[in-house]
Amino acid sequence: IQLTQFPSSLSASVGDRVTITCRASQDIATYLAWYQQKPGKAPNLLIYAASILQSGVPSRFSGSGSETDFTLTISSLQPEDFATYYCQQLDRFPRTFGPGTKVDIK
Amino acid sequence: QVHLVESGGGLVKPGESLRLSCVASGFIFNDYYMTWMRQAPGEGLEWVSFISSSGQTVDYADSVKGRFTVSRDNAKSSLFLQMKNLRPDDTAVYYCARGGAHLDTWGQGNLVTVSA
Repeated sequence: IQLTQFPSSLSASVGDRVTITCRASQDIATYLAWYQQKPGKAPNLLIYAASILQSGVPSRFSGSGSETDFTLTISSLQPEDFATYYCQQLDRFPRTFGPGTKVDIK
Repeated sequence: QVHLVESGGGLVKPGESLRLSCVASGFIFNDYYMTWMRQAPGEGLEWVSFISSSGQTVDYADSVKGRFTVSRDNAKSSLFLQMKNLRPDDTAVYYCARGGAHLDTWGQGNLVTVSA
């Protein structure tokens, strides 16, 4: 299963609403997770089952979608949110990742 | 506190072998599936391998199938990745993570460099 993400990068300001899209090459129901990765660090799970917020993750992060189209939304971008975001399909092996979306400061 | 600590990385020549280890703490290790991922320098994440809680079910990315072997020792809360016939394109930071689907805890990462 192939995953595409868009945009591949974006520039935004603190307080902006940011939306990242992940598209799967076939129906994966809601078997999708989102991760945040900062430079030199391991990824951190944000969302799983397309819309369930992982414990401890701020509520400004939300996920939606099903089948082939999914979105990750940050309602009000904070300084600590500048990072790269990856989606991962959990429907089948191999558990492929999207290519990532880098969010940097405008 | 849930923790995963990896070790065993380093610099090797093409064709050589290396064994990565990942020691878990803070949770009941044998209750969880475990996964290995990697990330080449400047690149995205690549899923590498998965092992069930008992160790009876495993799976691999096509890029490593036949060369890498995942295993675990539940008595020692440890996960392993035996890597053989390493190639330059195996150069990456390798991560172990808890879970077989979404991955809720990751190790710090362990750099493997394959170069002549």
